[in-house]
Amino acid sequence: GNSVTQMEGPVTLSEEAFLTINCTYTATGYPSLFWYVQYPGEGLQLLLKATKADDKGSNKGFEATYRKETTSFHLEKGSVQVSDSAVYFCALSGEGDGGFKTIFGAGTRLFVKA
Amino acid sequence: NAGVTQTPKFRVLKTGQSMTLLCAQDMNHEYMYWYRQDPGMGLRLIHYSVGEGTTAKGEVPDGYNVSRLKKQNFLLGLESAAPSQTSVYFCASRDGQGNYGPLHFGNGTRLTVT
Repeated sequence: GNSVTQMEGPVTLSEEAFLTINCTYTATGYPSLFWYVQYPGEGLQLLLKATKADDKGSNKGFEATYRKETTSFHLEKGSVQVSDSAVYFCALSGEGDGGFKTIFGAGTRLFVKA
Repeated sequence: NAGVTQTPKFRVLKTGQSMTLLCAQDMNHEYMYWYRQDPGMGLRLIHYSVGEGTTAKGEVPDGYNVSRLKKQNFLLGLESAAPSQTSVYFCASRDGQGNYGPLHFGNGTRLTVT
């Protein structure tokens, strides 16, 4: 079946540092890939998505590129802010499991220090 | 826009008690989901529904039942609560049309079973 593996946290950075959170996946066919963000006490919200190979999703300064050759979808941001402190989840939805399910990675907690 | 609304926000149960969590969405989405979130384990799918009157089991269905009598509502029931069901429960929905779209989440229900 489909699966998602993302780097373990927590990740602690100083403000304005460069962020990378690695995500790799296993899936049949051509899944859609997502990054979700969860702020304390809230549900997950979509950060960005990509639906086909070489697509780049972007939002709020975050970017991720759908790399089919390396089955990866790494999240990057050039300069993080304290307000980016949250838990980030990589996810995919695709043909496996009937196409109905979204599979999540375990989540990576990010702390940004002022 | 309300989006996905979960009630209640918090609940404390004693072992053996029963309760129902309600999820309502106002986006006319076909697919609805119940997840639980536990520290270090990401999100695990409990049950899901691909349309009114249909339900299916996810990864961790034991001890839970669901019903989708109306398209906009998805109920999660615990018949006899156990301490292992202490968790944060999230409802999510997505459009069933077209390719694999993003999920829309509620803000969660924090359940403690003593």
